[in-house]
Amino acid sequence: DVKVTQSSRYLVKRTGEKVFLECVQDMDHENMFWYRQDPGLGLRLIYFSYDVKMKEKGDIPEGYSVSREKKERFSLILESASTNQTSMYLCASRRTSSETQYFGPGTRLLVL
Amino acid sequence: DQQVKQNSPSLSVQEGRISILNCDYTNSMFDYFLWYKKYPAEGPTFLISISSIKDKNEDGRFTVFLNKSAKHLSLHIVPSQPGDSAVYFCAACAGFGNQFYFGTGTSLTVIP
Repeated sequence: DVKVTQSSRYLVKRTGEKVFLECVQDMDHENMFWYRQDPGLGLRLIYFSYDVKMKEKGDIPEGYSVSREKKERFSLILESASTNQTSMYLCASRRTSSETQYFGPGTRLLVL
Repeated sequence: DQQVKQNSPSLSVQEGRISILNCDYTNSMFDYFLWYKKYPAEGPTFLISISSIKDKNEDGRFTVFLNKSAKHLSLHIVPSQPGDSAVYFCAACAGFGNQFYFGTGTSLTVIP
């Protein structure tokens, strides 16, 4: 059974803080993703990674960076959190041979 | 610009009846489509998918129909059960890439 875990379910941060969201998958998947989910906007892709140390921008990368030092771990970094980054953040992974993505439970981030 | 659209934010159906969730897309390069189901406070889980070489795929109570000429797909749930109450997202991708486009979701309520 594929498991994708995210380090926090809820986070409250202040404007300007640096925020780290961690994601770990246990199925040796090559590809990992970060999405944000907002009402009326669905899931929007922030960044994805297809291999260790490799990353590609998604649709809304501004204000975010990512790190993938190990295959199982993909981190999302908010360099200087802003209130418009208040959102639900979802991590996902998938095997290259399949289109199916497996999602973590999400991190609800509130930036004050 | 939303390439995958779910125009109905919500849908209510009586238990035992059919639920039909609709999804439209604009990009003719999309060749694989997926439906995900999301319960509150959980990440989306994969439900069913369809390749563009097919026009129907069935899995138990769930059937997805694809109309390529209309750029439209639909998810049928028969019979609907209260446990099906969730938000349903459709998603699309082109080739075996990592850029998945999600709709805004439809919240299904199945009334006992």
